[in-house]
Parts: sequence; structure tokens; C-alpha cells
Amino acid sequence: EIVLTQSPGTLSLSPGERATLSCRASQSVSRSSLAWYQQKTGQTPTLLIYGISSRATGIPDRFSGSGSGTDFTLTISRLEPEDFAVYYCHQYCSSPLTFGGGTKVEIK
Amino acid sequence: EVQLVESGGGLVQPGGSLRLSCAASGFTFSSYVMRWVRQAPGKGLEWVSSVGADGGNTFYGDSVKGRFSISRDNSKNTLYLQLNSLRVEDTAVYYCAKGSSGYYNYIEYWGQGALVTVSS
Repeated sequence: EIVLTQSPGTLSLSPGERATLSCRASQSVSRSSLAWYQQKTGQTPTLLIYGISSRATGIPDRFSGSGSGTDFTLTISRLEPEDFAVYYCHQYCSSPLTFGGGTKVEIK
Repeated sequence: EVQLVESGGGLVQPGGSLRLSCAASGFTFSSYVMRWVRQAPGKGLEWVSSVGADGGNTFYGDSVKGRFSISRDNSKNTLYLQLNSLRVEDTAVYYCAKGSSGYYNYIEYWGQGALVTVSS
């Protein structure tokens, strides 16, 4: 099983600041099979990034994904008020499919 | 517009059973892998089960293997999850999710979720 560890657990930032979220896998994630999801309080998760760095339809370009192998990053270049939420990474290359524990981005 | 609408959630006693349904629309249901993912209250996301486009291949997480059963009816555009031998730790919101195209497919869309509460 590929275990995904996200850090930090909570990120306290102000609107306009840059957010850098990390996702580390216990073994290499093949076929670029790494996605990121955003979940706002009381809402359903939504797809942000797939294939490590491809933005989903309608996702603004302030969101970007990068990385390879076992280390991946989600960057939000300038935080907007609507970006404060919990973010999950997810690998879909091997069964069981797994998610990271989440990073909460909160308003400082 | 893709829509996934879950139903069938509710309160059930430990050891009981429940069947969740997910009505899909806005895409060719029979062409895509479908999944169930759950989220316990205040916790993260946990993959539960997947089923291939034709219903022939099914996969389960270790925590539900042997107790839950996934199926689909492509003529009705509906996904199901049969939950048996329920435990308190199965309490969660259960999301129906559509896979993307391709062999390595990510979750592209999520339903609104169905709450399952297991309690005596």
C-alpha cells in the first residue's frame, strides 16, 4: 500500500500569500498518477489537479502541481478568500487507492 | 452536466445492513469506472470500492472486504453499494464518484454524499 503523508497539517496564511503544500509517498507513484482535491467545510471534494500537474477544468492558474517519484507539491500562488479549505492528495496508480491525511489552509 | 445523486443512507444498528444507490446522469455511465469513497466525521477520505465500466471487475479496501459489495446497473445508470455486517467504525458520509477516462483514472466528479450512521 502506498501511504501518502501530507505536511504541514495546518497552514495559517493571509489572503494574497503563497501556499506550499507537500505530499510524500511511501513508494514511487508511477504513471504520474497523483491528484489533488479541495474540500471546503461542509462541501464535497472537488478535483483541482490530476497527473501531478494538469489543472482540472475551470481551476484558476494560481493553482499548480509539481513533483515526481515520491515527492509532490501543490502551490497556490496568491491565496484568495475562497481558497481556505482542506486539501488532499491522492494516488491512483496502485490498489488500494489512497489519500493523504489532508492539509488545512486557514486564515491567519 | 455530470450529476451523481446518492440515496439510501440512514441510521442502522451494528451488525445491520444497508444499500446505497447512486443515480448518474450527464455522461455515458456504462463507459466509466465508478467508485465509493467515505469520510468519517471530522476525518479524511478513504477509498472503499471500485467497479469496472462493465461491472465485471470489482475492488475493495481491506476494511470493508467481505462485508461490502459494489455493483452497477448500466441500463439504469445506477451504482450500488451493499453494506453488510456494519460496524460503528463504518459511520461516515459515503460519496459516489466517477472515474476519468483511461486505465489510470482519477476521481473526476463526486456526489453530494449519503450519511450512514451505525449506532445502537
